[in-house]
Amino acid sequence: KNQVEQSPQSLIILEGKNCTLQCNYTVSPFSNLRWYKQDTGRGPVSLTIMTFSENTKSNGRYTATLDADTKQSSLHITASQLSDSASYICVTGNKLVFGAGTILRVKS
Amino acid sequence: ETGVTQTPRHLVMGMTNKKSLKCEQHLGHNAMYWYKQSAKKPLELMFVYSLEERVENNSVPSRFSPECPNSSHLFLHLHTLQPEDSALYLCASSQWTQAYEQYFGPGTRLTVT
Repeated sequence: KNQVEQSPQSLIILEGKNCTLQCNYTVSPFSNLRWYKQDTGRGPVSLTIMTFSENTKSNGRYTATLDADTKQSSLHITASQLSDSASYICVTGNKLVFGAGTILRVKS
Repeated sequence: ETGVTQTPRHLVMGMTNKKSLKCEQHLGHNAMYWYKQSAKKPLELMFVYSLEERVENNSVPSRFSPECPNSSHLFLHLHTLQPEDSALYLCASSQWTQAYEQYFGPGTRLTVT
C-alpha cells in the first residue's frame, strides 16, 4: 500500500533552535518528493521539490534531504523563528500521496 | 494568495442545503484539483481536471459534484451533505499534470450541521 509516514506528529521547540522532521515512504512509482508548509487556516505552500537523483535541496533556512534507497526524507529547519510554526507535509508519488504532517510550534 | 483564490472562506450549511464552492486560478495553469483535508488526516485528492476534462475521480460520493467551465475556474457543488463532510476543502492548480508543482488556495472551511 502506498503510504507516507511522518514523524514526529507534533514538536515544540524554542525560537532560534534547529529541528529535523522525518518522512518515510513506501510509494511507488516515485516521481519526486515535496515538502509543503501549511499555516493554520491557509493552503499548503511549496518549500522544496526533489527528484530521485537529488540528495539535498535548500530554500533559505529549510534544507530537505532524500535517500531514495532507504525511502526516507528529512526537512531540517535552522535557527527557527516564530513564523515557522505550522504543519509540514511530505508528499510523494506520481499520484501525490500525502503524509499527515508534523505540527511544529516555535515558542519564544 | 492572489495566485489561487477560493470563496467562500467559511461556510456553514445544513444537511438539506445546496451550496457551491468556487476556485479561481490566475496562474495560466491547465490542471485544477479539489482536495479534502480533515483534522489530523492527510489531504485526500477528490477530483482532477486537466484542460477542463475530469481525469480523476477518487471514489467521491455523488453528493459532491465538480464543475470546470474553463481552465481558470473550478466549482464544487454540494448537496445533502453529512456531518462527516465537515472539513477544509482546498483547491489547487498546476501546469499540465500532478508531476508539476501545485499551488494551493486558502481553502474553504465547511461545517455541516
